[in-house]
Amino acid sequence: NAGVTQTPKFRILKIGQSMTLQCTQDMNHNYMYWYRQDPGMGLKLIYYSVGAGITDKGEVPNGYNVSRSTTEDFPLRLELAAPSQTSVYFCASSLPTSSGYGYTFGSGTRLTVV
Amino acid sequence: GENVEQHPSTLSVQEGDSAVIKCTYSDSASNYFPWYKQELGKRPQLIIDIRSNVGEKKDQRIAVTLNKTAKHFSLHITETQPEDSAVYFCAAPSGYQKVTFGTGTKLQVIP
Repeated sequence: NAGVTQTPKFRILKIGQSMTLQCTQDMNHNYMYWYRQDPGMGLKLIYYSVGAGITDKGEVPNGYNVSRSTTEDFPLRLELAAPSQTSVYFCASSLPTSSGYGYTFGSGTRLTVV
Repeated sequence: GENVEQHPSTLSVQEGDSAVIKCTYSDSASNYFPWYKQELGKRPQLIIDIRSNVGEKKDQRIAVTLNKTAKHFSLHITETQPEDSAVYFCAAPSGYQKVTFGTGTKLQVIP
């Protein structure tokens, strides 16, 4: 099992450009998440999905969009990139359980907007 | 939503000493409390978790305690080693199948 795979690992964008961060998991996890982590800071939830075709906003969704057409894939779209979106982006997945769930994180995408 | 506070923000200990990190939460209905370790430049990794029906859980040198009445839970690392140096995050449920993370504790183990 590869776990949670994110691509690309690094990217530099110019202000106003768009891009898609890819995330795929092979663990048959229903739940998937996108977090951003600013330097020296904690993890902020951008969007999450509890299954194919279902997505919902987290704490900081502005400037981002997601889709979930399959169980495996959960891409994050940045439209009109801004310097404030410079961050490390982590995708995560988990199984649903009635009493709690640990996340498996991808290795992250380091994005710089200039 | 859930409010998770984590203390201290930085912690330095001598190798072999113990380290304790504490988190408080606001939602009394919360029932699952994971801890993640993030080494420099790496992804967060789940190291231990506890559910609300137990008060303590141990895994070798790591333990987590939960006080539901006071709404706080703590991570205890004994016999610290240099490889324990990392940022540690606590988390608590903040709605259906998602969590809120604490702000992180940077632990430095001094050889």
